[in-house]
Amino acid sequence: GDSVTQMEGPVTLSEEAFLTINCTYTATGYPSLFWYVQYPGEGLQLLLKATKADDKGSNKGFEATYRKETTSFHLEKGSVQVSDSAVYFCALSVRSGYSTLTFGKGTMLLVSP
Amino acid sequence: DAEITQSPRHKITETGRQVTLACHQTWNHNNMFWYRQDLGHGLRLIHYSYGVQDTNKGEVSDGYSVSRSNTEDLPLTLESAASSQTSVYFCASSESDRQNIQYFGAGTRLSVL
Repeated sequence: GDSVTQMEGPVTLSEEAFLTINCTYTATGYPSLFWYVQYPGEGLQLLLKATKADDKGSNKGFEATYRKETTSFHLEKGSVQVSDSAVYFCALSVRSGYSTLTFGKGTMLLVSP
Repeated sequence: DAEITQSPRHKITETGRQVTLACHQTWNHNNMFWYRQDLGHGLRLIHYSYGVQDTNKGEVSDGYSVSRSNTEDLPLTLESAASSQTSVYFCASSESDRQNIQYFGAGTRLSVL
């Protein structure tokens, strides 16, 4: 079945450090890929997405590139801020319109001043 | 602004009691979903609906039920609450289009004692 594997956390960084959170997937067909973010005490919200191979999703300084050859969708940010502290979820869907999302287990990011 | 609201935000109940968690969205989305979030498991799909009178079982549906009588609401019922159902529950909705973007409520923290 479909699955998403994320690196385990927590990831602890100092402000302005470079961030990478690894995400790999297993899916039939050509999935769409997503990163969601969950701030403390809140629900998840979409951070970025990509729908086909070599697409790059970007938002709020975060980027991720859909790599079909390595089945990966790693999240990166060049300079993290304390306000980026949250839990990040990688997810996929395999059929547009009427499709559920399969989530990874989430990676907690803690950024210190 | 359109939104998705969950109630109550916190609930404490006893083993064996029936509990209903409410989810109401004003996006006019056809698709609605219920997840539970547990440490070490990420988000797991409980039930979902692609429209009025449509319901489907997810990965962890045992002990839960839903009904969809209108577009706006998808209440989640725990028939006989068990301690293993202590969790944070999230409702989400999405449009039936190629985007597959889900919008999440703020969650309900349920404790079964």
